[in-house]
Amino acid sequence: EAGVVQSPRYKIIEKKQPVAFWCNPISGHNTLYWYRQNLGQGPELLIRYENEEAVDDSQLPKDRFSAERLKGVDSTLKIQPAELGDSAVYLCASSLDGSGNTIYFGEGSWLTVV
Amino acid sequence: QQQVKQSPQSLIVQKGGISIINCAYENTAFDYFPWYQQFPGKGPALLIAIRPDVSEKKEGRFTISFNKSAKQFSLHIMDSQPGDSATYFCAARRSGYALNFGKGTSLLVTP
Repeated sequence: EAGVVQSPRYKIIEKKQPVAFWCNPISGHNTLYWYRQNLGQGPELLIRYENEEAVDDSQLPKDRFSAERLKGVDSTLKIQPAELGDSAVYLCASSLDGSGNTIYFGEGSWLTVV
Repeated sequence: QQQVKQSPQSLIVQKGGISIINCAYENTAFDYFPWYQQFPGKGPALLIAIRPDVSEKKEGRFTISFNKSAKQFSLHIMDSQPGDSATYFCAARRSGYALNFGKGTSLLVTP
C-alpha cells in the first residue's frame, strides 16, 4: 500500500514568490494534516481536514497561507508571498479518522526561501 | 505554548546501552501518547504508542513508561544499536484533535 505522497520534495524560491505543495494521502484516509517542521524542532500543526472540511486552521497564517482539499482526497498548501522565515519542511499526514488512529506522515517538502 | 516538553535535547549512548527520553505534559485531556522516530530526510514514523489506562507498553526493544499522576511518560530503548540513531519525538493528543509534538531528542548510538 502506498504511503502519503508529497511533491515537490525540494523547492528553493526567492522571497515574495509563491509556492505550492501537493499531498496525496493514504487511500481511504479521511483525515489529512499539514504540519510545518522548523530545523531542530518538532512538527507543528498548520491545518487539519476531515474529508473536505477544514476543522482546525487556527495555526495557519491566513494572510499568506492557504490550503484546500477538493473532493476530500488530495490537498494543496500554498504560500504567497513567501518570506525568509517560511523556510522549513512541510509535512503532510493522514489517518483513517480523527478519533485517535495512527497518523502516517509523508517524507515532507523541503522549502528554502532565499 | 509548548504542550509537550521533551528532554534531553540530545543523547549519546554506547551500543548495547539503554537510551531514555522523557516527556511531560500539562493537558489532562490528552488520551494518546505516541513516540515517533525520524531519520534525516524522512518524515516521522510511529514507533510505539500508549493510552493512559496502562502504565507500561513494550514492543521489542522499545518500552513506554507512563505515569499519569506525574503527567510524564518516557521511552526506553534497550540494547541500543547504531541503527537506532535518529531523532525521537514524543507527542500527545486528545481524541478528535491533532498531535502536539515535543521538540525532539537527537540520539546517537556509538559503536
